[in-house]
Amino acid sequence: GNSVTQMEGPVTLSEEAFLTINCTYTATGYPSLFWYVQYPGEGLQLLLKATKADDKGSNKGFEATYRKETTSFHLEKGSVQVSDSAVYFCALRGSGGYQKVTFGTGTKLQVIP
Amino acid sequence: AAGVIQSPRHLIKEKRETATLKCYPIPRHDTVYWYQQGPGQDPQFLISFYEKMQSDKGSIPDRFSAQQFSDYHSELNMSSLELGDSALYFCASSLVVQSSYEQYFGPGTRLTVT
Repeated sequence: GNSVTQMEGPVTLSEEAFLTINCTYTATGYPSLFWYVQYPGEGLQLLLKATKADDKGSNKGFEATYRKETTSFHLEKGSVQVSDSAVYFCALRGSGGYQKVTFGTGTKLQVIP
Repeated sequence: AAGVIQSPRHLIKEKRETATLKCYPIPRHDTVYWYQQGPGQDPQFLISFYEKMQSDKGSIPDRFSAQQFSDYHSELNMSSLELGDSALYFCASSLVVQSSYEQYFGPGTRLTVT
C-alpha cells in the first residue's frame, strides 16, 4: 500500500535559518503529493501540492518539488519565521477517483527568535 | 469561498455514551472522507463515501458507523465510546471529476471522552 516517511522532529531553528524537512513516499502509479500544516489546536491547512513529476509546489515562501526518480517531496524554506512554528505533514493521494490521503507522522517545527 | 463545515467543533462525552459528528461538504462535492487524529499522531483514514455509497474503508472500529445523505452531508456515529476515542475528527470533501482530486479538510471536531 501507499506510505509516507518524513524526518522525525522536533526541529528547532533560529529565526531566518534555512529549513528542510525530508519526505519520501511509496506508492503505485502517479500519486499527488501534499504538505499540510497544523498550528497548535487547529485543523489541517493545505500548504502546497504537486500533482505530477517535476512539479514544484510553492506557497508562503515554502517550496517542494515532486521527484519521481527519488520518490521524494522535501519541504524547504529559505528563511523561517517564528510564526512558522507548527507541525508539518507530508501526504500523498493515490491516482484515481476517490482515493484517501495517507499522511506521514508529522514533523514539529519550532522557530526561536 | 465555501469550505467544509463540521459540527460540533467540540464535544465532551462520557465512556459508553454515543456521539454523532456531522460534516457538510463544499457545495457540489460528491465525496466525503473521515479521518481520526489522536493526540500527537498523524491523521488516519476511517471511511469515505462517493455519491452516498461507501467507497473505501480504513481503520474504523465496528462501534463506529457512517453514512452520506441525499444532500451529500455525512454523519459519523460513534457508540460505546472509549477513552481512546478522544481525538480530533476531520472530514474532507472532494469532487471526483476534478483532475487534481484535491481533498479539502474541515476544521475538525475535537471529541473528548471522560
